[in-house]
Amino acid sequence: GEDVEQSLFLSVREGDSSVINCTYTDSSSTYLYWYKQEPGAGLQLLTYIFSNMDMKQDQRLTVLLNKKDKHLSLRIADTQTGDSAIYFCAESPDNYGQNFVFGPGTRLSVLP
Amino acid sequence: DAMVIQNPRYQVTQFGKPVTLSCSQTLNHNVMYWYQQKSSQAPKLLFHYYDKDFNNEADTPDNFQSRRPNTSFCFLDIRSPGLGDAAMYLCATRETDRGVRQPQHFGDGTRLSIL
Repeated sequence: GEDVEQSLFLSVREGDSSVINCTYTDSSSTYLYWYKQEPGAGLQLLTYIFSNMDMKQDQRLTVLLNKKDKHLSLRIADTQTGDSAIYFCAESPDNYGQNFVFGPGTRLSVLP
Repeated sequence: DAMVIQNPRYQVTQFGKPVTLSCSQTLNHNVMYWYQQKSSQAPKLLFHYYDKDFNNEADTPDNFQSRRPNTSFCFLDIRSPGLGDAAMYLCATRETDRGVRQPQHFGDGTRLSIL
């Protein structure tokens, strides 16, 4: 079945760039998503990318997709303390399926 | 401006006492989902409604039921909560009928505690 993997923890210093990585197994995935979850809150959609793209930029966020290696990354430029949260990578495995497959989440800690 | 609204934010119930969590949406999306999320884990899909069609995940306990009386509202009923059901419950919506798959939009969740 489909599987999404992420490293569980990442620590960076305020002002540095953060790079959160994700790998997925389903080659039919056509949409890949990044969600942010702050403590006690729901999941907030940050950005998503179609599998026919290899990069998407949105302000401080850059998503890179290597479809050959099934590798997705989220880069946060100029990381701030407010970026501390859990980041979930998710894939939508096929064109008409309703379900997402979530990774385990990466806890980003931003140090002053 | 919340578009997916979950009530209440915090719910406490007693072991074995039925409880209902509610979700409403202003997005008019055709799909609604219920997830269970335990501490430091990814959300786990319990079931979803595609319009009025109910889709249960294979490993969702029978203790969990759902109702969707109309497009805007969806309820999660836990018939006899056990201590293992203490978790955050997340509702999400998605629009799939426009030919372009949209992302899921989440509410802020209801944190359920069992005494």
